[in-house]
Formats: sequence, C-alpha cells, structure tokens
Amino acid sequence: DSGVTQTPKHLITATGQRVTLRCSPRSGDLSVYWYQQSLDQGLQFLIQYYNGEERAKGNILERFSAQQFPDLHSELNLSSLELGDSALYFCASSVGPFSNQPQHFGDGTRLSIL
Amino acid sequence: TQLLEQSPQFLSIQEGENLTVYCNSSSVFSSLQWYRQEPGEGPVLLVTVVTGGEVKKLKRLTFQFGDARKDSSLHITAAQPGDTGLYLCARYSGGGADGLTFGKGTHLIIQP
Repeated sequence: DSGVTQTPKHLITATGQRVTLRCSPRSGDLSVYWYQQSLDQGLQFLIQYYNGEERAKGNILERFSAQQFPDLHSELNLSSLELGDSALYFCASSVGPFSNQPQHFGDGTRLSIL
Repeated sequence: TQLLEQSPQFLSIQEGENLTVYCNSSSVFSSLQWYRQEPGEGPVLLVTVVTGGEVKKLKRLTFQFGDARKDSSLHITAAQPGDTGLYLCARYSGGGADGLTFGKGTHLIIQP
C-alpha cells in the first residue's frame, strides 16, 4: 500500500462529457503529480502541484486542468472528453518539490470513453 | 522531446534464467529511476541512480548507470515468477521545475 488514494477506480462516460478524478497524497507529502498511461504513449507526466501551487507542467491538454487544495488533496478535471482520452490516470506524491525524489503512486483511475 | 528508449519491449523467459533490460537516451540524465508496475497497480520505485558508472543491487536485481549518464541497465539473476511485471525507467533532467520522463517499458513474463 503506497498510501496514495485515488477515486474512483473506474469511470465510464461518453464523449463531450466532463469528469473529475481525485487524489489523496501520502501523509506528509506536499507534492502531487498526475500522469496519463496509455498503450501507445506509455506513462506521460501531466502536471505537478507543490503545497497548493502549480510547479511543473508536462503534456497536459488545455481541456484538462488540476488543482491542489489546502488539505493537499488534488483533483484532475477532464472536459470535452474524446475517445482518445481513454487511459489510466495515475496520481503520485512525494515529500518535496523535486521530481527526482521518490514518488509514490496510487493504483490509478481507469477512464473509458464510449 | 527527449525520449527514453527501452529494450526489449517484451521478454518472456523461464524461471531461473538471467536477463538484462536496457534504457537509453541521446541526452544526459541528471538522475534515473527504475520502477516496476504490476497489473492493476501503480508503478513502484525500485532504485534511483545518480552517478555515472554507479551500480546498485537490490537482492537479485542489479542496476547500472552508464559512465556518460545516457543509459542504464537492469540485470535480473535467476528470475522468478514474482519478477513478472512492466519495468519502467524514468529520467530527471534537472533544473528544478521539470517532471519525470518515462520510457514505454519492458513487459517481462517469467514462466514457472
């Protein structure tokens, strides 16, 4: 058990819809990272928040947004969903702000777009 | 985009055999991490290598960082079915506000 909790585990929705994925980091961790994993692209870094502020941005689409709340949990919002957004979405957390510090991953949310 | 190439993409061997998987890039890493991911779970960090030429051992797993810090290898001795999984390498370029770049991984199956 990594200590990182992601909900929901599975999400099925239709094109054009909007969904919110939630992540609770490991106790004491201030950084939250979001990743997308698909068969063709592999595991891709989307965005990082550290202590409530956006710290690093990766391959995140403009239709996607994230935030980290004062209690350090984070949400990833995906809107105007397309078939290609079907993927596993992982959240990871770490103690400090640097990406090369050990990251602890949740078990992911599997998003299926019909 | 600075890519990480992992090889082989798939590997299926018998229990007890040895194997090596590779992670290569055209650019220098500040540091490199290896993760293992099992079906239905998130990746789990195995090791971080930082210094060129560094060798780290984790039981039957030996990780090596190339002298030029552009490549790394993972060697498993006497593989066991519990070693089955997706092995991912991830590089950190340094410079502060930068996320990890992952390779696409090696899918390893150890048959009993």
